[in-house]
Amino acid sequence: LAKTTQPISMDSYEGQEVNITCSHNNIATNDYITWYQQFPSQGPRFIIQGYKTKVTNEVASLFIPADRKSSTLSLPRVSLSDTAVYYCLVHPDSGGYNKLIFGAGTRLAVHP
Amino acid sequence: NAGVTQTPKFQVLKTGQSMTLQCAQDMNHEYMSWYRQDPGMGLRLIHYSVGAGITDQGEVPNGYNVSRSTTEDFPLRLLSAAPSQTSVYFCASSRTSGAPLSTDTQYFGPGTRLTVL
Repeated sequence: LAKTTQPISMDSYEGQEVNITCSHNNIATNDYITWYQQFPSQGPRFIIQGYKTKVTNEVASLFIPADRKSSTLSLPRVSLSDTAVYYCLVHPDSGGYNKLIFGAGTRLAVHP
Repeated sequence: NAGVTQTPKFQVLKTGQSMTLQCAQDMNHEYMSWYRQDPGMGLRLIHYSVGAGITDQGEVPNGYNVSRSTTEDFPLRLLSAAPSQTSVYFCASSRTSGAPLSTDTQYFGPGTRLTVL
């Protein structure tokens, strides 16, 4: 499984756009990139997933450059409720069970 | 749907005691997993199951047992609790049987906070 590197923490203010970049230099051809969000005292929650280029849903956007060695999670106009830990995961679509590797994640603090 | 449910929410054990953490899902998911999360760290996989009657070890299986007799339930047993097992435990499920082959997203339960004295 490809190793991922992301910032330990980030700070932002309400209404700003937040970009969290994840590095995954050893990503394999059949690997997907998935981001999860975890609020205090809750289990992680799926946010977004992509393979290449750009993916957008109602929560976030995911930008993946052509070489796929990094990805950027973009949260538009954050609010206090976006304060959470964000995990970047890289895993294959093997058709079987995916052993997800959760690193320490990025702790995002949104301030008033 | 209730999604993934876990009981109890909190538990305090003494060293050497045994207990079972319960996990159930009502989404007809094939895959179920147990993770532990220690303070300031990510989640580590303990055991997982790809279907009823099939289980396998994850990254940190020692001290834990699992079984999967039904699709819905995946209990985690601590046979002799140790202080090192103090942690928050999360159960997760994924993969609807018969769904198109695609990447999985895991649905997590609310967690069980376990303290071993």
